[in-house]
This record gives sequence, structure tokens and C-alpha cells, in this order.
Amino acid sequence: DAGITQSPRHKVTETGTPVTLRCHQTENHRYMYWYRQDPGHGLRLIHYSYGVKDTDKGEVSDGYSVSRSKTEDFLLTLESATSSQTSVYFCAITDREVLANYGYTFGSGTRLTVV
Amino acid sequence: GQQLNQSPQSMFIQEGEDVSMNCTSSSIFNTWLWYKQDPGEGPVLLIALYKAGELTSNGRLTAQFGITRKDSFLNISASIPSDVGIYFCAGSGGYQKVTFGTGTKLQVIP
Repeated sequence: DAGITQSPRHKVTETGTPVTLRCHQTENHRYMYWYRQDPGHGLRLIHYSYGVKDTDKGEVSDGYSVSRSKTEDFLLTLESATSSQTSVYFCAITDREVLANYGYTFGSGTRLTVV
Repeated sequence: GQQLNQSPQSMFIQEGEDVSMNCTSSSIFNTWLWYKQDPGEGPVLLIALYKAGELTSNGRLTAQFGITRKDSFLNISASIPSDVGIYFCAGSGGYQKVTFGTGTKLQVIP
């Protein structure tokens, strides 16, 4: 979807280094999410945001932090990358308060490899 | 936490065949959603279901919200090559709480 962009699309990084993934939206949606996708696990929520400077943890938040200083940008940071964080990361947005009833719009993903 | 069991994990079918996949939960959901993920892309919403027993169609796709509210089914009729991808179910029990299934990988043989 052209209204949501993730960068970078691919990244290889070394264990112990910090990594920041960016999600940028042009839809002015209030809610933004970071998921990771791993074989056998589907999509798991890392963190989400319900407004500028308002964020909360998901089910797999350990080792990750987020920031949202502007409506359009939601950053995911791996403070010290580990091999277990090798995954495909998806950003999602919605403007609906009861979000699940209407579904998300997902970005195209960032494939992160930690070596 | 809640878990969604999606089956089958993967399937190979001949072009033109019908496909069925399902999702079961240990918990009750108020909403069921079905997404499709093309290779290298993010999931895209196909169908949303809001009421137990509801049957909803989107072209060749038909999905049902199980009566028990613990399961949902997706059927694809007369499959075509572009149906290839991973299909995810997702369930929601309430505000800001969504659980995704593990996905069904569909391959269509021309």
C-alpha cells in the first residue's frame, strides 16, 4: 500500500549492534503497530502506538523499544541485536479505535538478519 | 495467551480445484479476519466476519464465522495461479487485541 512505507527493506547486522527500523505513513492514521513474522508463529505483536508519544508493549516486546514523535513515523529499535531477532518485521496502521473489526493496512516488511 | 491453530500448514492443489482451510481457537472471538500475503509483501485483508454463523463472500472466496465463535473457515473456489500465497486468520476478542494464526501456505499447480 502506497500509504505506508518501511525502511530499510533488507538489512544484515552483527550481533550486539543497535538497529532502527522505520515505518512511515501518509494516511494520518492514529494507530500504528510493529509485528514480527517467523515460520510456525505467524505474526506476533511487538509494540503499538495509539498516538504521538503514546506506546504500549505487545506480546514479544523484550529487546525492543519504540518511539513515535510524529503521527507519520513509528520507529522500532533493537538496542543490541541478537540472532533470535532475525525475522521479517511488519508495520501496520489503522484509523479505527476498535481496530480488529476493520483490519490493518500492512507495510511491505523489513527482512532483518542478525549474524 | 490465546493461540490460533490454522490448518493445513501448507497445501498443493491443481489449478481449478477448490480449497478449504480453517482456524480454531481455545478462546472465543468477537471478530474473525482473513488475510492473504503475497511473496515479499505484507498481508492484505480479504474478509472480515463479525457475527457467529455469518457467511461472507468476496469473489471466489467465502468465509464463515463458526457458531461456537472459536473457529472460522475460508474456502476458495476454482483456484487460479494468483491465489498462491500465505493465508492468515486473525481473531479479536476486543479492543486492541488481535491474535494471528500461523498461516496456510497455498501453492497452485498450473
